[in-house]
Amino acid sequence: SQQGEEDPQALSIQEGENATMNCSYKTSINNLQWYRQNSGRGLVHLILIRSNEREKHSGRLRVTLDTSKKSSSLLITASRAADTASYFCATDRTGANSKLTFGKGITLSVRP
Amino acid sequence: GAVVSQHPSWVICKSGTSVKIECRSLDFQATTMFWYRQFPKQSLMLMATSNEGSKATYEQGVEKDKFLINHASLTLSTLTVTSAHPEDSSFYICSAKWGYEQYFGPGTRLTVT
Repeated sequence: SQQGEEDPQALSIQEGENATMNCSYKTSINNLQWYRQNSGRGLVHLILIRSNEREKHSGRLRVTLDTSKKSSSLLITASRAADTASYFCATDRTGANSKLTFGKGITLSVRP
Repeated sequence: GAVVSQHPSWVICKSGTSVKIECRSLDFQATTMFWYRQFPKQSLMLMATSNEGSKATYEQGVEKDKFLINHASLTLSTLTVTSAHPEDSSFYICSAKWGYEQYFGPGTRLTVT
């Protein structure tokens, strides 16, 4: 069964705007990861946030984690048309031997 | 960075034949590799965990006799889809674990006619 649930399922924004995507999960985790997938391609690892971290930055990406609410958010600032892709959160659950469980994904469209 | 390759990138086969997909970690050794399946516009579903030198661990509902996994070395895992049927058509993605992170291959598009 899927652990992560992202929302919204689809997001369309104008280039230059910020995109915020949310992910909720159900069980205790070791870490949560965000991935990007361009259509028909493999996954690109974006960022990993550990369960004892609350916020992490990488370039234009900002990830937050609230373990009390079992939720995470991914913020992409100053979006570009090249950011158009599907974004997935994946949880590495406690005791799950590092198996990642993926959410359903969010389709982000950035209009030029 | 850690690179994972898959071969082939796409394959078309006839119903009833078998297809082998290779997953290689190019610049690191991976004791654990994972195989996922992704249907169009859906998420990745874990099929099995492949450990070097031991039998793969399959997720519930995945037929181990249909999806044969071999992890013969620290850099290579193979997935063989046996007696493929059109419903097996999908995007198959492998990943290799290195440290805390998993690195994903580019995927293999399988079409069974």
